[in-house]
Amino acid sequence: SQQGEEDPQALSIQEGENATMNCSYKTSINNLQWYRQNSGRGLVHLILIRSNEREKHSGRLRVTLDTSKKSSSLLITASRAADTASYFCATVKGGGFKTIFGAGTRLFVKA
Amino acid sequence: NAGVMQNPRHLVRRRGQEARLRCSPMKGHSHVYWYRQLPEEGLKFMVYLQKENIIDESGMPKERFSAEFPKEGPSILRIQQVVRGDSAAYFCASSPDQGSKTEAFFGQGTRLTVV
Repeated sequence: SQQGEEDPQALSIQEGENATMNCSYKTSINNLQWYRQNSGRGLVHLILIRSNEREKHSGRLRVTLDTSKKSSSLLITASRAADTASYFCATVKGGGFKTIFGAGTRLFVKA
Repeated sequence: NAGVMQNPRHLVRRRGQEARLRCSPMKGHSHVYWYRQLPEEGLKFMVYLQKENIIDESGMPKERFSAEFPKEGPSILRIQQVVRGDSAAYFCASSPDQGSKTEAFFGQGTRLTVV
């Protein structure tokens, strides 16, 4: 069963603005990953952050992880219309890739 | 190196028929995971398989659903006697190990519509 939440559920911003999405979970983890899903398409892996890391960057993406609060955030800087998609976080506790939390955050970037 | 390949991309079945969904993992990956996504919802884990073995099927409905990952060939998710509630997108992911160290790679999904 789903164990956590992503918030907000939907986010609408103007092109060029930054978008921040959050993910919370309940169990201890080995790593946390963020994925993007364009409408009607499969998931694309964005970034992986390990439990002993606090922050990671990849291009315009910045992910933070706070294991004490069991939460992660994904920041997309200087957003573009092409960033419009749903964003999901997934955690690995070990022994498999078992759970993806919540319904994701639907990001709308207006040109 | 081709990505995770799922087929068919779209599948329409009448109530009571069988649906067979196929997933070919990335080359060198021996771990496969199946997820179901209902409209406007997140992905829900169904089953985790390693070559010829089911490791975790805690997310799989007890009846009508089965999965296999034979030594040769793709992983198959089978749904017998489909009902309208089975309509969803089914995603497969693969990874080279248990997933604790690496990411999983997802296929494009199979969209099952039961009419």
